[in-house]
Amino acid sequence: KQEVTQIPAALSVPEGENLVLNCSFTDSAIYNLQWFRQDPGKGLTSLLLIQSSQREQTSGRLNASLDKSSGRSTLYIAASQPGDSATYLCAVRISPGTYKYIFGTGTRLKVLA
Amino acid sequence: GAGVSQTPSNKVTEKGKYVELRCDPISGHTALYWYRQSLGQGPEFLIYFQGTGAADDSGLPNDRFFAVRPEGSVSTLKIQRTERGDSAVYLCASSQDRAETQYFGPGTRLLVL
Repeated sequence: KQEVTQIPAALSVPEGENLVLNCSFTDSAIYNLQWFRQDPGKGLTSLLLIQSSQREQTSGRLNASLDKSSGRSTLYIAASQPGDSATYLCAVRISPGTYKYIFGTGTRLKVLA
Repeated sequence: GAGVSQTPSNKVTEKGKYVELRCDPISGHTALYWYRQSLGQGPEFLIYFQGTGAADDSGLPNDRFFAVRPEGSVSTLKIQRTERGDSAVYLCASSQDRAETQYFGPGTRLLVL
């Protein structure tokens, strides 16, 4: 059974720092992995999608990497800003035959001004 | 443009009652998803519709939960004989055909007393 874990559960950093959020999954046979952002009381916003054949994806100050063999993904945020404060969730899609995503519990990020 | 909307935003009910939660997807999106998110957890997949049909309902926890999408647009999640453990935020998302990017609504916060 696929399980997704995110460490740390919470993180507080000063503005301007570069930071890394971690996501690990127990079964390396995934179809793709997505990183989402969730603001309090809001739905999720997709940030980056990495297909199983890819190693990384970049969007602006965000870079996500995927190492399937070790069951890990990282989300790198450069030059963090207070507006980056949110919960970041990773989710894996286990096969092309299902649209079911398995989510981690998230990392609550607070960027201090 | 209009995003995914969900009504009601909050619902308080008593144990044993029946509730309906509504999701209006983005116009033209054929795929629709329901998730449940408990406090401090990531979203948990419930059901996925492609058009009017439920393509994957493997996440529905038991037969008290049922969802419909009769005209391929609006969807209703129905919960019978509610239990206190059903309390959670119910999230809806839609996507274009089988595109990966899911657009989430703000959720319905259900509290069963």
